[in-house]
Amino acid sequence: AQTVTQSQPEMSVQEAETVTLSCTYDTSESNYYLFWYKQPPSRQMILVIRQEAYKQQNATENRFSVNFQKAAKSFSLKISDSQLGDTAMYFCAFNDQTGANNLFFGTGTRLTVIP
Amino acid sequence: EPEVTQTPSHQVTQMGQEVILRCVPISNHLYFYWYRQILGQKVEFLVSFYNNEISEKSEIFDDQFSVERPDGSNFTLKIRSTKLEDSAMYFCASSEGRSRPTPDTQYFGPGTRLTVL
Repeated sequence: AQTVTQSQPEMSVQEAETVTLSCTYDTSESNYYLFWYKQPPSRQMILVIRQEAYKQQNATENRFSVNFQKAAKSFSLKISDSQLGDTAMYFCAFNDQTGANNLFFGTGTRLTVIP
Repeated sequence: EPEVTQTPSHQVTQMGQEVILRCVPISNHLYFYWYRQILGQKVEFLVSFYNNEISEKSEIFDDQFSVERPDGSNFTLKIRSTKLEDSAMYFCASSEGRSRPTPDTQYFGPGTRLTVL
C-alpha cells in the first residue's frame, strides 16, 4: 500500500529565510508523481510543485524547489526567501499508475512565517 | 486560467438530510474526483469518475454516497442521509487524464464546508 509520511507537524521560519519541509513515501511502483500542495487558512488546496519520478532533475518553481531522492523515497520542499503569504498547511501527495490515479496525502506540516 | 469551482462554499444541514455538493471541473479534463478532509486531519480520497462511471472508490464511499455528471459541466456528490461524522471539507478535483497510464496532475476546487447538526 502507498503511504506518505510527513514527520514535522509544525514548523516556523523567519521572513526572508529558507525552510525545508520533509516528506517520505513508500511504493513499489516505478512511475509516479509527487506533489506539494499548499492549504492557506482559506482551506483551498493549491498546487505548489510537482515532480515526475522518472526525471532526475529536481523540480523548481520560483522560490519553491524540491530535493527528490528516489532511492531513499524522499521528497522535501525548500522554500527560499519565505514570505508571510507562505503561512499555510503544506501537504505532500503521491500518485502512481495503479487504480484511478487517486492521490495519497501525508498528514501535513503547518508552516508559520514570522515577520 | 481555468479552475475548478465548487458550490456552495458552506452547507449546513440537519442529520438525516440529503445534501448535494456541486463541482464544475476544468472543461477539457476527463477525470473527476472527490476528496474529504475532516477538520484537523489529512485529505482522504473518496471516489474517482471517468467516462460517466465510477473508476475507483475508497472504503469511505459507502452506499450513502453517490456521484453523478448530470450534464456536460457539473459533477455532483450526493450524501443520501447525512451523519454527524460527515462534517468535513469536501474537495472536488479534476485532471486531464490524457497521459494515462502516466499519472497526471489534479487541480482542486476551493472546497465545500459541510456542517451536519
